[in-house]
Amino acid sequence: GNSVTQMEGPVTLSEEAFLTINCTYTATGYPSLFWYVQYPGEGLQLLLKATKADDKGSNKGFEATYRKETTSFHLEKGSVQVSDSAVYFCALSERGYGNKLVFGAGTILRVKS
Amino acid sequence: DGGITQSPKYLFRKEGQNVTLSCEQNLNHDAMYWYRQDPGQGLRLIYYSQIVNDFQKGDIAEGYSVSREKKESFPLTVTSAQKNPTAFYLCASSILGTSGNNEQFFGPGTRLTVL
Repeated sequence: GNSVTQMEGPVTLSEEAFLTINCTYTATGYPSLFWYVQYPGEGLQLLLKATKADDKGSNKGFEATYRKETTSFHLEKGSVQVSDSAVYFCALSERGYGNKLVFGAGTILRVKS
Repeated sequence: DGGITQSPKYLFRKEGQNVTLSCEQNLNHDAMYWYRQDPGQGLRLIYYSQIVNDFQKGDIAEGYSVSREKKESFPLTVTSAQKNPTAFYLCASSILGTSGNNEQFFGPGTRLTVL
């Protein structure tokens, strides 16, 4: 079945450091890919998405590119802030299956000032 | 403001009791979903519904039940048959489509603790 694998955390960075959170997927067909963010005690918010190969999603300084050849969708940000501390989830959407999402385990990001 | 509301935010239950978690949306979305989140794990799908009066089991439906009598509402009942119900429960909704690129919108969650 479809699956998503994320790098294990927690990831601890100093403010203004460069961030990469790796995400790879296994899927039949051509899924859409998403990054969601969860702040403490809250639900998930969509951060960015990409719907086809070579698409780049971007939002709030975060970027991720849909790489079909490596089945990856790594999240990057050039300069993190303390306010970016959260849990980040990579997910794929199974086409034709009622928009169901398959999530990775999540990566905790901690940014120190 | 449009959005998804879940209530209560915190819920405590004694072993052997059923409990119902509320989820309401005013986004006019056809599809609604229930997920369970445990520490260190991603979200796992419990049930989902694409239309009123119809719903399907997700990956971990055992010990749970749902109803979809109205488009806006998708309550989840955690029954006494659920062996390990303590978790954070998240409700979501989306427009319905087969393209797979439709965003799911999430509620704030309900944290259920079994005493």
